[in-house]
Amino acid sequence: KNQVEQSPQSLIILEGKNCTLQCNYTVSPFSNLRWYKQDTGRGPVSLTIMTFSENTKSNGRYTATLDADTKQSSLHITASQLSDSASYICVVRENTGTASKLTFGTGTRLQVTL
Amino acid sequence: NAGVTQTPKFRVLKTGQSMTLLCAQDMNHEYMYWYRQDPGMGLRLIHYSVGEGTTAKGEVPDGYNVSRLKKQNFLLGLESAAPSQTSVYFCASSYLIPGLAGPYNNNEQFFGPGTRLTVL
Repeated sequence: KNQVEQSPQSLIILEGKNCTLQCNYTVSPFSNLRWYKQDTGRGPVSLTIMTFSENTKSNGRYTATLDADTKQSSLHITASQLSDSASYICVVRENTGTASKLTFGTGTRLQVTL
Repeated sequence: NAGVTQTPKFRVLKTGQSMTLLCAQDMNHEYMYWYRQDPGMGLRLIHYSVGEGTTAKGEVPDGYNVSRLKKQNFLLGLESAAPSQTSVYFCASSYLIPGLAGPYNNNEQFFGPGTRLTVL
């Protein structure tokens, strides 16, 4: 069964510090991996997408990496801000030709404090 | 441009009652989806639609029905609510990339704010 596992489950950091969130997956055949940010009480919003050939991609203070060989991705947040407090969800798209499928991770809940 | 909106935001039902959740999008997206989000679990797909007048089952469709009479609206119905349906429900939409097949044609989905449903 295809799975997407995220770690840690939750994380508390001080404002201004960096952090890295992990996503390991067993989805195969792999199509792409997307990171979403979900603020409390809101729906998820896409941060970035990683395709098979991409190793690193940045979106402001967010940098995602992908190692398709080890089936691992990370989301690095630089100089964290209070507004970064949210859940971060990793979603992997399975490439099955005519019928693709998404598998969602359970998310990492990040809290940034003063 | 409101994006994806959902009504209601909150609802409490008694077991056996029925209700309809409404999702509307103003982005002219072809695809629409209903998910449920439960603690400790990833989002799970209930039903989806690849166009007006068409619907299909997702991962957890039992106990739910859907309709897509208009392109911009996607309705989720609970005919006889059960406590196991207590959850947060999210609607999402996505646009079509010509030439790519499948319900997750383009997996960037735009989500609504969610509906928190409690069934007593």
